[in-house]
Amino acid sequence: GENVEQHPSTLSVQEGDSAVIKCTYSDSASNYFPWYKQELGKRPQLIIDIRSNVGEKKDQRIAVTLNKTAKHFSLHITETQPEDSAVYFCAAASNFGNEKLTFGTGTRLTIIP
Amino acid sequence: ETGVTQSPTHLIKTRGQQVTLRCSSQSGHNTVSWYQQALGQGPQFIFQYYREEENGRGNFPPRFSGLQFPNYSSELNVNALELDDSALYLCASSIDPDPGKSPLHFGNGTRLTVT
Repeated sequence: GENVEQHPSTLSVQEGDSAVIKCTYSDSASNYFPWYKQELGKRPQLIIDIRSNVGEKKDQRIAVTLNKTAKHFSLHITETQPEDSAVYFCAAASNFGNEKLTFGTGTRLTIIP
Repeated sequence: ETGVTQSPTHLIKTRGQQVTLRCSSQSGHNTVSWYQQALGQGPQFIFQYYREEENGRGNFPPRFSGLQFPNYSSELNVNALELDDSALYLCASSIDPDPGKSPLHFGNGTRLTVT
């Protein structure tokens, strides 16, 4: 089955700086890679996703890159703000009769004012 | 548009007991997936229901079971509770069973504590 590894487990950055979170996956059939943000005591919320036919996707201060050959994908947050502080999860899924998301273990991002 | 709602929000049970968790899917969504999130971990897939039928199951024992009703709401039942079942249980609904076709919308979860 799919295995998703996520690094780092914790990350502290100065407000205004950039943050990068990296994930690797094991199943070459995976073709959908979402990122979720989970604030303390709240539900995971989808912030951006990418499919395997695309190498990069941006949405304002957030971008995701995908390297299918190396089986890794990354989340980039630029000009970080205090409200970016949360736990971020990467995930992977394939469409070959596989109905589930396999999540990474999460990265706790802290923005230092 | 009403989002995904789960009940109860918190629950304390004793080892060996049984528990039922409930989820109302977002309007227009016919698929419900259940995930278990242990403290400090990512969510793990339990199972998915699509149009009232189980449509995939993760690596969880048979004492984890579920139902989906004609209105697409769902229940998660856990029998013979163990201490390791203590976790946040998340329900997510979508309009298609394939997460690549339809993003998952999560509820706030039910925090289950087994003592």
